Amino acid sequence: SQQGEEDPQALSIQEGENATMNCSYKTSINNLQWYRQNSGRGLVHLILIRSNEREKHSGRLRVTLDTSKKSSSLLITASRAADTASYFCATALIQGAQKLVFGQGTRLTINP
Amino acid sequence: NAGVMQNPRHLVRRRGQEARLRCSPVKGHSHVYWYRQLPEEGLKFMVYLQKENIIDESGMPKERFSAEFPKEGPSILRIQQVVRGDSAAYFCASSRGGENSPLHFGNGTRLTVT
Repeated sequence: SQQGEEDPQALSIQEGENATMNCSYKTSINNLQWYRQNSGRGLVHLILIRSNEREKHSGRLRVTLDTSKKSSSLLITASRAADTASYFCATALIQGAQKLVFGQGTRLTINP
Repeated sequence: NAGVMQNPRHLVRRRGQEARLRCSPVKGHSHVYWYRQLPEEGLKFMVYLQKENIIDESGMPKERFSAEFPKEGPSILRIQQVVRGDSAAYFCASSRGGENSPLHFGNGTRLTVT
């Protein structure tokens, strides 16, 4: 079964609005990472949050982690058309921390 | 700064042929990972290598698939006797190593088996 599952599977919003994506996982983790993938391209690392951290910011990105609920959220504020992409969460398990397990992704569309 | 370089970008093979996918990691990175992605799905881990060693191949099919990361040269993912189900995008990623090192991805090789 999938370790990481994103919700929603697809999200469409107007430019300037905030976009929130959620990720749930099943087993204990060392860290959780968010990646972006534009169509036909490789993944780009956005942000990493360690298991002992609760919130992290990077520019217009805000990530939270709740290890008691085994969930994380990615908030993109003041969205832009260029934010249109698929977003994936990935968990690094405590055993085998080098191996990332990816969720199915959220397809985000920003309408101009 | 060259990122992860994968070639070819697109590869078409007939059933039964061999496919060789190449990956040159970011300069200075000694850890390489291969992932497979089917359309509209997430990435599935295949194999994790360090120079000359396979560290974790738990995601790689036991037959027909092999990977190497030699002391000199790129990492190679080799698929023998390809079947239609092997059609997918194959992504390579590299990192410096360490528990909190993010992965740097290439743009993938899209394999089509006809």
